[in-house]
Amino acid sequence: DADVTQTPRNRITKTGKRIMLECSQTKGHDRMYWYRQDPGLGLRLIYYSFDVKDINKGEISDGYSVSRQAQAKFSLSLESAIPNQTALYFCATSEGDSQETQYFGPGTRLLVL
Amino acid sequence: TQLLEQSPQFLSIQEGENLTVYCNSSSVFSSLQWYRQEPGEGPVLLVTVVTGGEVKKLKRLTFQFGDARKDSSLHITAAQPGDTGLYLCAGEVFYDYKLSFGAGTTVTVRA
Repeated sequence: DADVTQTPRNRITKTGKRIMLECSQTKGHDRMYWYRQDPGLGLRLIYYSFDVKDINKGEISDGYSVSRQAQAKFSLSLESAIPNQTALYFCATSEGDSQETQYFGPGTRLLVL
Repeated sequence: TQLLEQSPQFLSIQEGENLTVYCNSSSVFSSLQWYRQEPGEGPVLLVTVVTGGEVKKLKRLTFQFGDARKDSSLHITAAQPGDTGLYLCAGEVFYDYKLSFGAGTTVTVRA
């Protein structure tokens, strides 16, 4: 089984709808991250969490919120989806050491109509 | 404006040729990582470089960290179709505890 899983893998929604993307990990890592990937822009950090009680905004947090339900679970919500939130979304985890490796999930492809 | 600039954005070469991908910044990094991403999957770490001037080799891949810790390069010798993918560099600024990613270089190796 994969160490980092994301659900759903693909989602089509309409402008104004609220949606939630979920991430689960079995690696036992404290740190979790949400990124979005757009062609030509690479990966941009939306939110990150260094432990269950810690939530931090990344460089593009507007229009998004997160919830860290447990060490293993980190959810990303779009409160009112808009078309420019159409992107590939990745969850990642890391142990928390310096020079750390980040382990990525398979991604969720989101289309907002 | 991205913290890390990668070049070129696209690279298409014939099997057996060599290629180099560059990652540049005006910022100093405590470490720099290279990831490879295949379609439908998340990025996977290839290497981490942490010392200025460091060179690491991974089979046909050679990674170099600049002396000033502001830039890095990835060189592939005798590229194979299996090297096809999106290559991403990512840097950790001192005491920031987060990674900043470059936009990526899409490499296509034709058989």
